[in-house]
Amino acid sequence: NAGVTQTPKFQVLKTGQSMTLQCAQDMNHNSMYWYRQDPGMGLRLIYYSASEGTTDKGEVPNGYNVSRLNKREFSLRLESAAPSQTSVYFCASSETSGGNEQFFGPGTRLTVL
Amino acid sequence: AQKITQTQPGMFVQEKEAVTLDCTYDTSDQSYGLFWYKQPSSGEMIFLIYQGSYDEQNATEGRYSLNFQKARKSANLVISASQLGDSAMYFCAMRVTGNQFYFGTGTSLTVIP
Repeated sequence: NAGVTQTPKFQVLKTGQSMTLQCAQDMNHNSMYWYRQDPGMGLRLIYYSASEGTTDKGEVPNGYNVSRLNKREFSLRLESAAPSQTSVYFCASSETSGGNEQFFGPGTRLTVL
Repeated sequence: AQKITQTQPGMFVQEKEAVTLDCTYDTSDQSYGLFWYKQPSSGEMIFLIYQGSYDEQNATEGRYSLNFQKARKSANLVISASQLGDSAMYFCAMRVTGNQFYFGTGTSLTVIP
């Protein structure tokens, strides 16, 4: 039982390059999330998927796209990376309701030069 | 507006003493959940404790308790008998309608031997 896995762990991009961050969970959770964490800003929600087949914008969606490929997988794509997207990205999953906390992946440290 | 506020960027506590980390929230939802997470220097997010908006009793989990004051919209975390391993960032979070989560900016706790 791996929980939430993310790939890659580290990535360096040049401005304008594209990439996809992968996330998978094996807990049969309905909801999945992408956050970015910047110093002094806490975690900010980029996009989330409340259930398979749905995606919604969070607090900071600009410059990102997501795909809920199936119940297990939720990917985050940067089409044209910018230095402002340098951050640590966390994927998380949770059950739909109740007191179910989010389970987090280990994070991806992304640097855009 | 949905918002979580943590006003203490950094806190110090003597080993074996108790410490309170402050969290206030703002939401118009009647049903919501409040969470605390710990993030050690290694970067992973660790769930600590949960409080539902309709729960009448304060939540407790071992040395962690959540002081929930609904009228004041506060959800402070109390850590009793602090240990050196408690040194970390602590984040307060709120789950609202649609299973969306909001996080505060965090409090850095340092336990002094």
